Amino acid sequence: SYELTQPPSVSVSPGQTARITCSGDTLPRQFAHWYQQKPGQAPVVVIYKDTKRPSGVPERFSGSTSGRTVTLTISGVQAEDEADYYCHSTDNTDSLGVFGGGTKLTVL
Amino acid sequence: QVQLQGSGPGLVKPSETLSLTCSVSGGSFSSYYWNWIRQSPGKGLEWIGYVYYSGVTNSNPSLKSRVTISVDTSQNQFSLKLRSVTAADTAVYYCARGELDCSGHPCSRSYFDLWGRGTLVTVSS
Repeated sequence: SYELTQPPSVSVSPGQTARITCSGDTLPRQFAHWYQQKPGQAPVVVIYKDTKRPSGVPERFSGSTSGRTVTLTISGVQAEDEADYYCHSTDNTDSLGVFGGGTKLTVL
Repeated sequence: QVQLQGSGPGLVKPSETLSLTCSVSGGSFSSYYWNWIRQSPGKGLEWIGYVYYSGVTNSNPSLKSRVTISVDTSQNQFSLKLRSVTAADTAVYYCARGELDCSGHPCSRSYFDLWGRGTLVTVSS
């Protein structure tokens, strides 16, 4: 089965930059997307197709890709950014969806 | 304002079938693909499967033998059936709309741009 690997947790102080990585063998060929999930809420997309930011998502959220790793960067982290973040992509046959295990972002 | 509203029993007995429906209101039903995703308590997201307006479906290999996903275009609804449930199937079940990326040919499945609020289903006798 295909897997996407994320660190379980990332901690930063307010105003600093948070970087959350997601690694997978097909990421050089398949787009990745990022979702933010706050407690008791449904996930919300914050980055799609590796680097694109939906309207309404703050500019401090950005995405990048390098080889088999995609990165979600949150510049100038704010307390409201504390949440779980999940990457999402497809397998090598482009048939099946898959999520990373999720990263809990803690704002110290 | 497009909305996804999931519905179904919140309690299912072990070995029985979990049945959920997602109603789509306020937008096009044919221009997207439609997904079920679940999240066990305290755990991460798990993609269950998708269905197109045409009825074409696919599902997670780990659940494929127990899952049926179908669509009712006359009602703008899609449904999930999960057979022979156990306590491990206790989760919040989300329905979600999937964007189609038609920058290439054919269109490919892209991100989930709209999610329902989620339905907690507990498997217990």
